[in-house]
Amino acid sequence: SQQGEEDPQALSIQEGENATMNCSYKTSINNLQWYRQNSGRGLVHLILIRSNEREKHSGRLRVTLDTSKKSSSLLITASRAADTASYFCATDGETTDSWGKLQFGAGTQVVVTP
Amino acid sequence: DTGVSQDPRHKITKRGQNVTFRCDPISEHNRLYWYRQTLGQGPEFLTYFQNEAQLEKSRLLSDRFSAERPKGSFSTLEIQRTEQGDSAMYLCASSLDWGEQFFGPGTRLTVL
Repeated sequence: SQQGEEDPQALSIQEGENATMNCSYKTSINNLQWYRQNSGRGLVHLILIRSNEREKHSGRLRVTLDTSKKSSSLLITASRAADTASYFCATDGETTDSWGKLQFGAGTQVVVTP
Repeated sequence: DTGVSQDPRHKITKRGQNVTFRCDPISEHNRLYWYRQTLGQGPEFLTYFQNEAQLEKSRLLSDRFSAERPKGSFSTLEIQRTEQGDSAMYLCASSLDWGEQFFGPGTRLTVL
């Protein structure tokens, strides 16, 4: 079973707009990571946020983490057509025996139209 | 290209045949992971290695699946007696200790 759930399942926006997607998870985590996947390709790591962090930025990406609500959000600002992809959150468990065994959600499909 | 590579990129096979996939991790990475991804879903963890030792296998990995990482370098994933339900993208990732996992492009398996 998958640990995370992304919301929405699909998102369609125009270039220049911001895109926000959310991830909820079930069990305590060591860190949460966001990945991007272009159609039929491998995953590209975007950003990692640790359980003791609340917000992180990387370029046009902003990630928040609320461990009390077991949720995270990914914001892409000023979106571009090249941002069209599926976005996945993945959690790394809290206990050492679960480290590295990333648990992914089902993803949010983002389409950015010119 | 110094990233994670996987071979083949696509494999079509008939039910009942055996298939083997290869993953070459980033050279200095000591950990190697296998995941499976079906259409419309996120990847699911299958197994991982630290150097040549296989540390854990998910219960998703039936007895028909076996993975090796001889000498702690490349890894192979073999599926025996393939079934249609094995059709999926098989992803390999590597990391240095518990660091960020870098994923390969995947091998897409279609079982007819």
